[in-house]
Amino acid sequence: DTAVSQTPKYLVTQMGNDKSIKCEQNLGHDTMYWYKQDSKKFLKIMFSYNNKELIINETVPNRFSPKSPDKAHLNLHINSLELGDSAVYFCASSQGPGTGYTYEQYFGPGTRLTVT
Amino acid sequence: DQQVKQNSPSLSVQEGRISILNCDYTNSMFDYFLWYKKYPAEGPTFLISISSIKDKNEDGRFTVFLNKSAKHLSLHIVPSQPGDSAVYFCAASGSSGTYKYIFGTGTRLKVLA
Repeated sequence: DTAVSQTPKYLVTQMGNDKSIKCEQNLGHDTMYWYKQDSKKFLKIMFSYNNKELIINETVPNRFSPKSPDKAHLNLHINSLELGDSAVYFCASSQGPGTGYTYEQYFGPGTRLTVT
Repeated sequence: DQQVKQNSPSLSVQEGRISILNCDYTNSMFDYFLWYKKYPAEGPTFLISISSIKDKNEDGRFTVFLNKSAKHLSLHIVPSQPGDSAVYFCAASGSSGTYKYIFGTGTRLKVLA
């Protein structure tokens, strides 16, 4: 039974298109995240939601818009895709909040986005 | 400016020997550190963590050491097994209630049979 799942696993699209990536977790966690792993394999946080509220919003182009319909889901919508958006996008979840304590994250398998 | 650095992109070790993976950080506000293992085409998997109030944490074959004064942590795997071959990421976070984890760029470990 998959803990954190993402769809699709692969996404190939053309520049200028709009696409969405979906994420679901069945761990009962309160916090969910989106990470981007670029060609240099650098894993960088983009967004985080806690109980459907945005708590982390890194310097990400506003073409990227996360949406959390409920605690178990966090989707990522990308408008006007550009070549530089090609990367692997990982969804993750963790317990929280925990003042003074940081919880480990559970990652999905990733979505490889290729923009041509 | 990369706050968490893994300066060795790759490491090869013979099966049965010790693997030592290193990680350095620059932000003195970090006080919780994690190691993740990642296989190809999969997401990172949590391995072991350490809080800054400790200098060592052990879980089976895996031990993490933290040297706060040097802002350095290391992951020891003893004995190394071929199934340990993967990319290892260290990550760091502050304890202010933020859930922001900063990841290093990873070290690819290859355990030779």
